[in-house]
Amino acid sequence: SYVLTQPPSVSVAPGQTARITCGGNNIGSKSVHWYQQKPGQAPVLVVYDDSDRPSGIPERFSGSNSGNTATLTISRVEAGDEADYYCQVWDSSSDHQRVFGGGTKLTVL
Amino acid sequence: EVQLVESGGGLVQPGGSLRLSCAASGFTFSSYWMSWVRQAPGKGLEWVANIKQDGSEKYYVDSVKGRFTISRDNAKNSLYLQMNSLRAEDTAVYYCAREDSSGPVPSFYFDYWGQGTLVTVSS
Repeated sequence: SYVLTQPPSVSVAPGQTARITCGGNNIGSKSVHWYQQKPGQAPVLVVYDDSDRPSGIPERFSGSNSGNTATLTISRVEAGDEADYYCQVWDSSSDHQRVFGGGTKLTVL
Repeated sequence: EVQLVESGGGLVQPGGSLRLSCAASGFTFSSYWMSWVRQAPGKGLEWVANIKQDGSEKYYVDSVKGRFTISRDNAKNSLYLQMNSLRAEDTAVYYCAREDSSGPVPSFYFDYWGQGTLVTVSS
């Protein structure tokens, strides 16, 4: 089955830019989606189809995808962005599995 | 407003059964794939199962195949997960999630989630 690899943690100072990566074999050929999850809450979709944002998600959240790495970029990081972030793809070649990365804890210093 | 409300979680002994329900409102339920996603305590998200709009296709993660059954009742706007032969490793918060896809090529993402229901498998 398809495997997505994320760094366990990323730290950034307020106002700086955070980049969270998601690695997978030829992930650039797939559409990647990103979720934010704060403690005790359900996940929230923040980026879909590599770089599109749902309504209500700030423009500070953006995404890119190429080769073997997809990246979620959060500009002008705020304290409220501290959360776990998960990438996800649809693995059409493996019984229609929906696959999540292991998650990255974003800490705002 | 889209709402997904799970129920049916609780404490169950190993080998036991439980049926989760998800009540959907605020959208045309019969037009969407629906999924169950779980999260073990302190762990990441794991997709469990999903079902096509008319129930004609169902898919499962390998670890629950043969034990869990997903179903839906479009007349009642409801999604279900029948869980049998439960194991300690099935302990998790179970989320009901709506799937969507955009563009000419299917991509399938989870655009709405419920608040989850906790399933604890323990003796």
